[in-house]
Amino acid sequence: GENVEQHPSTLSVQEGDSAVIKCTYSDSASNYFPWYKQELGKGPQLIIDIRSNVGEKKDQRIAVTLNKTAKHFSLHITETQPEDSAVYFCAASSTNSGGSNYKLTFGKGTLLTVNP
Amino acid sequence: DAGVTQSPTHLIKTRGQQVTLRCSPKSGHDTVSWYQQALGQGPQFIFQYYEEEERQRGNFPDRFSGHQFPNYSSELNVNALLLGDSALYLCASSRPFTGELFFGEGSRLTVL
Repeated sequence: GENVEQHPSTLSVQEGDSAVIKCTYSDSASNYFPWYKQELGKGPQLIIDIRSNVGEKKDQRIAVTLNKTAKHFSLHITETQPEDSAVYFCAASSTNSGGSNYKLTFGKGTLLTVNP
Repeated sequence: DAGVTQSPTHLIKTRGQQVTLRCSPKSGHDTVSWYQQALGQGPQFIFQYYEEEERQRGNFPDRFSGHQFPNYSSELNVNALLLGDSALYLCASSRPFTGELFFGEGSRLTVL
């Protein structure tokens, strides 16, 4: 089955700096890669995703890159703010032809702390 | 528009007991998935329901079972609870043909 490795496990940055979280996956059939933000006591919130036919996607201060050949993808957060502090999870999934996910395999998470 | 709602939010059980957790998907979503999140870990896939049938199952024993109702809501049942079943149980729903999963806030189960 799919295996997703995520690093670093913890990341501390100063407000305004950039943060980068990296993930690798094992199953070459995986074609959907979402990123989730989980705040304490809450469920994961989808913040950005990328599909295997795209190499990069950006949404304001957040960007994700995908290297299918190397089987790795990364989350980039620029101009970090204290409210970005949370646990971030990467995940990988393969979809059927209808586009409905069967299941996500998650990394173990990265605790991001943004210091004011 | 209400998101994914789960109940109860917290519950405490003792070993050997049975528990039922409930989930209402986001409006317009027809697929429900359940995940188990142990403390300090990423969520792990339990199973997925679509058209009232279990479509895919993760590496969980038969003690974990589920159901989906005609209104797309779902239940997760766990029998013969073990201490190791203590976790946050997350329900996620998705729309047809988009794939994005939207999670609820979870049900925190503690087994004593």
